[in-house]
Amino acid sequence: ETGVTQTPRHLVMGMTNKKSLKCEQHLGHNAMYWYKQSAKKPLELMFVYSLEERVENNSVPSRFSPECPNSSHLFLHLHTLQPEDSALYLCASSTRTSGNTDTQYFGPGTRLTVL
Amino acid sequence: KNQVEQSPQSLIILEGKNCTLQCNYTVSPFSNLRWYKQDTGRGPVSLTIMTFSENTKSNGRYTATLDADTKQSSLHITASQLSDSASYICVVSPGWNAGNMLTFGGGTRLMVKP
Repeated sequence: ETGVTQTPRHLVMGMTNKKSLKCEQHLGHNAMYWYKQSAKKPLELMFVYSLEERVENNSVPSRFSPECPNSSHLFLHLHTLQPEDSALYLCASSTRTSGNTDTQYFGPGTRLTVL
Repeated sequence: KNQVEQSPQSLIILEGKNCTLQCNYTVSPFSNLRWYKQDTGRGPVSLTIMTFSENTKSNGRYTATLDADTKQSSLHITASQLSDSASYICVVSPGWNAGNMLTFGGGTRLMVKP
């Protein structure tokens, strides 16, 4: 166990549904991340919450909406998704360092299928 | 454009044998390079991290090398075990920024057979 948990582990939803993914870290880190891992593609960073600042990948569609109520919890709200959004969604956390040498600890992921 | 290319895409070896995975990158400016191991159905786990001033780092049977001049890295696995079967991902950090925007390679899928 890496100290980063994600729920649910599997999710099947229709294109008109609204759902949320949850991530929780128990490592005392100050940064949390959402990644998308599609089949046969590299991991793609979606959002970062670091030191109360949010950074986002400009290519992420607005149908994905992150929320970070505190340093231990991270949500990804999903609405009107498309079949191509089916992927493994990974959460990670780290303690930020000035030289970007922090190790990110990943959760097990949520396998999302959009019908 | 920042890119990380890994080779081979997949590899099958017999248990007990050694293997070397390759990573080439075009990320600039460069801060550090990491290797992650990802088991099927799980999140990646960090193996090594090297800054530009380091040219080798070991973690048990895993040894990573870095040539910052040629922008190449390798991950050498010694005396492979069945549990080494996984995807190995090379990741490069482009230097300090608020989001720590890492660039990920596509991974090498390693299968170790008995």
